[in-house]
Amino acid sequence: SQKIEQNSEALNIQEGKTATLTCNYTNYSPAYLQWYRQDPGRGPVFLLLIRENEKEKRKERLKVTFDTTLKQSLFHITASQPADSATYLCALHGSSNTGKLIFGQGTTLQVKP
Amino acid sequence: DAGITQSPRHKVTETGTPVTLRCHQTENHRYMYWYRQDPGHGLRLIHYSYGVKDTDKGEVSDGYSVSRSKTEDFLLTLESATSSQTSVYFCAIRPGQGLAEVGTETQYFGPGTRLLVL
Repeated sequence: SQKIEQNSEALNIQEGKTATLTCNYTNYSPAYLQWYRQDPGRGPVFLLLIRENEKEKRKERLKVTFDTTLKQSLFHITASQPADSATYLCALHGSSNTGKLIFGQGTTLQVKP
Repeated sequence: DAGITQSPRHKVTETGTPVTLRCHQTENHRYMYWYRQDPGHGLRLIHYSYGVKDTDKGEVSDGYSVSRSKTEDFLLTLESATSSQTSVYFCAIRPGQGLAEVGTETQYFGPGTRLLVL
C-alpha cells in the first residue's frame, strides 16, 4: 500500500542554522508533492507545491527538492528563526480529479534562540 | 482559515451518542474534505465531497457519514460515537468551483474540532 514517512522524532536546531526535513514515500508515483505547516491547535497551512518535473522550488527562506528516483522530498528552512517552530507535513496527491491528498504524520521542528 | 469555520470547536460526548460536526465555507468551493488527526497517524481522510449531494469515502470512513445539502455546509456525523473516535477533526476545501484538475490539489483547512468520547 502507499506509504509516506516523515521523521517522527522532533528536530531541534539552533537559530540561524538550516533545518532539513525529510519525506519518503513508497509504492507511489505522485505527480507532485506539497508541504504544509501546522501550529499547535490550528489547521495545516499550505507552504509549497513541487511537481515531478521540478527538481527544486524556493520561496523566501524555504526550499523544497523532489527526487522521484529516491522517492524523497527534502524541505529546507535557511536562517531558521524561533518563529519557524512548528510541525511540518508533507502531502502527496491521491487519485486525480478528486483533489484527495495523502499526508505524512509530520515532523516537529523546534528552533532555539 | 480561508473563510472556513467549524462548529463546535470542542465537544465532549459519551459512547453511543450521535454527534454531528459542521463545516461551513463562504466562497462556494466545490470540493470539501473531512480529516481526523491522531498522534502517530497524521491526517487521514474520512470523507470528501465534490459537489452538492456528491460524496465519497476516504481512508477511514467506517463509523462516519456525511451530508452536503448545500454548497456551503459539509456535515460529518458519528452515528454512535466510540472512544476510538476521540480525535481532532479538520475540514478542508480545495479552492475553485470547477472539477479538480491534477496540480490544483492545494487544500485550505479550518481551525479544527476537538472531540472527546468518554
